[in-house]
Amino acid sequence: GESVGLHLPTLSVQEGDNSIINCAYSNSASDYFIWYKQESGKGPQFIIDIRSNMDKRQGQRVTVLLNKTVKHLSLQIAATQPGDSAVYFCAEIWNTNAGKSTFGDGTTLTVKP
Amino acid sequence: DTEVTQTPKHLVMGMTNKKSLKCEQHMGHRAMYWYKQKAKKPPELMFVYSYEKLSINESVPSRFSPECPNSSLLNLHLHALQPEDSALYLCASSQGLGSYEQYFGPGTRLTVT
Repeated sequence: GESVGLHLPTLSVQEGDNSIINCAYSNSASDYFIWYKQESGKGPQFIIDIRSNMDKRQGQRVTVLLNKTVKHLSLQIAATQPGDSAVYFCAEIWNTNAGKSTFGDGTTLTVKP
Repeated sequence: DTEVTQTPKHLVMGMTNKKSLKCEQHMGHRAMYWYKQKAKKPPELMFVYSYEKLSINESVPSRFSPECPNSSLLNLHLHALQPEDSALYLCASSQGLGSYEQYFGPGTRLTVT
């Protein structure tokens, strides 16, 4: 389940497939990026982060890729599970130590059993 | 304890009412945040507090008045709100402004009638 490079508001995948969620960020000076997961009725939850001096970072079942040339961020989820169904947001921080995060438009991921 | 709590969960208020939203964390975090989230939209930063002092006000109308009485508590006082202020209000905290991972509460669902 993916659409390379393109941000989609919704993504539907089959359980067990890999998912790729894309995000375009706005500020070339941003130096830190975070992916959040927001389940229905809850606040956003931190998934994984990446600094601007990196182009890839891996976590448990998740990988974040950063392409600064085109200001693009992606989140890859391996072996997607029903519990991964949620809205996913990327956030960029460009003002170091100012605590100011700007969230991108979210992608609603639906995992079909 | 890695939890941010918010009360109330739901609030309905008239345009002439005065009400307050409350947020609490006991993680020893020194930065706290208020966000506003409309349906199917990303969270929008409103205020940032660092060491109990207001650090960022994102040009929020004065009908929203934040307060940080101590390092564990954050309030948002509401007065003379408009129906378009109806939204989910999220509180978050982080270790400091330079620590970007934010822990979010579940939010208060506000309806202004």
